[in-house]
Amino acid sequence: GDSVTQMEGPVTLSEEAFLTINCTYTATGYPSLFWYVQYPGEGLQLLLKATKADDKGSNKGFEATYRKETTSFHLEKGSVQVSDSAVYFCALSDLAVSGAGSYQLTFGKGTKLSVIP
Amino acid sequence: KAGVTQTPRYLIKTRGQQVTLSCSPISGHRSVSWYQQTPGQGLQFLFEYFSETQRNKGNFPGRFSGRQFSNSRSEMNVSTLELGDSALYLCASTQGQGYGYTFGSGTRLTVV
Repeated sequence: GDSVTQMEGPVTLSEEAFLTINCTYTATGYPSLFWYVQYPGEGLQLLLKATKADDKGSNKGFEATYRKETTSFHLEKGSVQVSDSAVYFCALSDLAVSGAGSYQLTFGKGTKLSVIP
Repeated sequence: KAGVTQTPRYLIKTRGQQVTLSCSPISGHRSVSWYQQTPGQGLQFLFEYFSETQRNKGNFPGRFSGRQFSNSRSEMNVSTLELGDSALYLCASTQGQGYGYTFGSGTRLTVV
């Protein structure tokens, strides 16, 4: 079945440091890839996405490139801020085994990022 | 544009009871999915509904069920609650696979 593996952290960085969170995936089909962010006590917010190989998703200074050859979708940001402190989830969306045109998200376990001033 | 709305935000129930959670998707989104989030198991897919039909179901016991109404609003029901059902239940809606999924703020269920 499909799976997503991401570094679990926690990751602690100083403000303005460079961020990389690694994510690799296994999928039976040709999935779309996502990064979601979760702030304490809240649901998930879509950070960025990519739907085909070599696509680069970007938002709020975060970037990730869909690498089919290495089955990876690493999240990067050049200069983190205290407000970026949150849990980050890598996810893929693939056609369900049951078919019927249904897609489901498969998530990694999440990486908790803390940014200190 | 209103987001995905989940009610209630918090629930405390006793073992053996049943509970119903509600989700109103973004207007125009016909696909609604439910996920369970726990510290131990992470985010796990429960089921997906499209046009009032369950198209897909995750690996959960039959105590977990759901439905979708003609206005795309969805409910999930958990019967005979167990302590292990304590979790954050998240609902997500989408207009299509490549568009991404918009999540609600979740319902925090505590079973005592």
